[in-house]
Amino acid sequence: DAGVTQSPTHLIKTRGQQVTLRCSPKSGHDTVSWYQQALGQGPQFIFQYYEEEERQRGNFPDRFSGHQFPNYSSELNVNALLLGDSALYLCASSLFGRGLQETQYFGPGTRLLVL
Amino acid sequence: GEDVEQSLFLSVREGDSSVINCTYTDSSSTYLYWYKQEPGAGLQLLTYIFSNMDMKQDQRLTVLLNKKDKHLSLRIADTQTGDSAIYFCAEIYNQGGKLIFGQGTELSVKP
Repeated sequence: DAGVTQSPTHLIKTRGQQVTLRCSPKSGHDTVSWYQQALGQGPQFIFQYYEEEERQRGNFPDRFSGHQFPNYSSELNVNALLLGDSALYLCASSLFGRGLQETQYFGPGTRLLVL
Repeated sequence: GEDVEQSLFLSVREGDSSVINCTYTDSSSTYLYWYKQEPGAGLQLLTYIFSNMDMKQDQRLTVLLNKKDKHLSLRIADTQTGDSAIYFCAEIYNQGGKLIFGQGTELSVKP
């Protein structure tokens, strides 16, 4: 049973560029959440996708956008990169519903460095 | 408001018990979680507790929940060097929409 997978593992970009990160959820899961983890901090919620729609969004600018595909995989896009976007980006998957079904399982993350 | 707080560092000797503490703010949270993060890795789900429980035990892990004080703790019995990592507590906010994390407690286990 494959867990949550993310690609790429590492990425280096320059300011102003755009980046796309990818996530495949755990088998049987239909909901994908994205988090940003700056160095030395806890993860911060970016947004969550279910049924190909953004279900909830955290306090991140519109430069951060996402997409969910019919196979439940998801992409996170960041435009006009800033130095402060350098972080570990974590994807988590869960099963939509209530209670324990919504426990989130995390992938290994994509480490983004913006120069 | 949304705020989860943890102490930043804890150092113990191998074989001792470790207790990591956390306070949270959302009294409507249904589940509270503990995640472990090793260097350069993602988050590993360790355990969880439902908000109507006071205690949950899972092998070497014991979770205590004081709902009145909004205080959560994780006790690791017989701590090993492999337990060295950063531990995050998290609460579900707004019925499953997002997890709110603390800043993490770095556990250092000395032989």
